[in-house]
Amino acid sequence: DIQMTQSPSTLSASVGDRVTITCRASQSISASLAWYQQKPGKAPNLLIYKASSLGSGVPSRFSGSGSGTEFTLTLSSLQPDDFATYYCQQYKSYPLTFGGGTKVEI
Amino acid sequence: EVQVAESGGGLVQPGGSLRLSCAASGFTFSDHYMDWVRQAPEKGLEWVGRIRNKANSYSTEYAASVKGRFTISRDESRNSLFLQMNSLKTEDTAVYYCVRVASDYVPDYWGQGTQVTVSS
Repeated sequence: DIQMTQSPSTLSASVGDRVTITCRASQSISASLAWYQQKPGKAPNLLIYKASSLGSGVPSRFSGSGSGTEFTLTLSSLQPDDFATYYCQQYKSYPLTFGGGTKVEI
Repeated sequence: EVQVAESGGGLVQPGGSLRLSCAASGFTFSDHYMDWVRQAPEKGLEWVGRIRNKANSYSTEYAASVKGRFTISRDESRNSLFLQMNSLKTEDTAVYYCVRVASDYVPDYWGQGTQVTVSS
């Protein structure tokens, strides 16, 4: 199975900050990586797919980069609505696997 | 508008069975693969399994933790996805999400989830 390791697990930030979350795969997944945002009690929402493509309706302050085993999700200027938990997921091979999550808090 | 909506969750005893349903609308259901993903209380996301479309013979994939106990199926006439869960364990307690898979294999639209609690 491909292991996905996210860091940090928790991130404290302020409105307007630039925030970066990292996801590492235990083997190459090319660009078969997605990022999701999840708020408490809600379903995850797709932010980024194919490592760097923006999901439908997702604000441009979100961006993704990377390929192979190293990936990054960047929020260019944190907004109040962005405080949430973020997950990466590889969909290169079965079983699909998620990172452990990064909670972005004030 | 793409929508997927789960139902059928509830409280079940260890060793029992439960069948979850997912109603899909707003897209051509028969074209898409579909996933089930779960989230245990205060934990991260865990992929449960996938069913492919008719063009790919409705073949399935499962996580090791549920293989042999859970079965995914679909009914094109009802635009519905199902998860039959047998021999349930306390560690199967979770919110179960139905997820559409886009044409490039990325899971994109998620339902709101249905709670399954396995407890005596």
